[in-house]
Amino acid sequence: AQSVSQHNHHVILSEAASLELGCNYSYGGTVNLFWYVQYPGQHLQLLLKYFSGDPLVKGIKGFEAEFIKSKFSFNLRKPSVQWSDTAEYFCAASPHNTDKLIFGTGTRLQVFP
Amino acid sequence: DVKVTQSSRYLVKRTGEKVFLECVQDMDHENMFWYRQDPGLGLRLIYFSYDVKMKEKGDIPEGYSVSREKKERFSLILESASTNQTSMYLCASSSAGSGGLNTEAFFGQGTRLTVV
Repeated sequence: AQSVSQHNHHVILSEAASLELGCNYSYGGTVNLFWYVQYPGQHLQLLLKYFSGDPLVKGIKGFEAEFIKSKFSFNLRKPSVQWSDTAEYFCAASPHNTDKLIFGTGTRLQVFP
Repeated sequence: DVKVTQSSRYLVKRTGEKVFLECVQDMDHENMFWYRQDPGLGLRLIYFSYDVKMKEKGDIPEGYSVSREKKERFSLILESASTNQTSMYLCASSSAGSGGLNTEAFFGQGTRLTVV
């Protein structure tokens, strides 16, 4: 079955620290990959997405993610986090032959000033 | 501004009750989704609909059913609510992908359901 794994459940950082959140998917074919963010009390919103082409994609608020096909990974990065990045981050995958969207378990990020 | 609206933010129901959660989108999207969100478990897909009257089971469909009679509305039904269905329920919609390219999903604010 298709699945998405996020290994970091809870990450605590100080402002200006660098961030990397892991995401792996299990699907043999071609997939579209997404990172969504949920700020406290708000609905989920798209951070960035990968469909094809350049494996390094840039999203909003200085986030980027790298697709490594050989590792089935799509890790999220940010060079310097801010207190306002405190949120829950979800990786998601959608195979090319369907619009079904599967999410990982999420990573809760806390950034302290 | 795109909008996915869930009919209730908070619901409290009794065990055994039939519960309807309603979701409406105003973007003319083909796809609609129902997820439940639980701490440590992320978002788990309950049902997915890719067209009117068309549906596909997700990872956890047991105890749930859905209805999509109109393109803009997708209902989640708990036939006989149980305490283990206490959760946050999220509705989402997206337009149909083409050429293998899926599109962004837009989410509602969620309905926090408590079954007592």
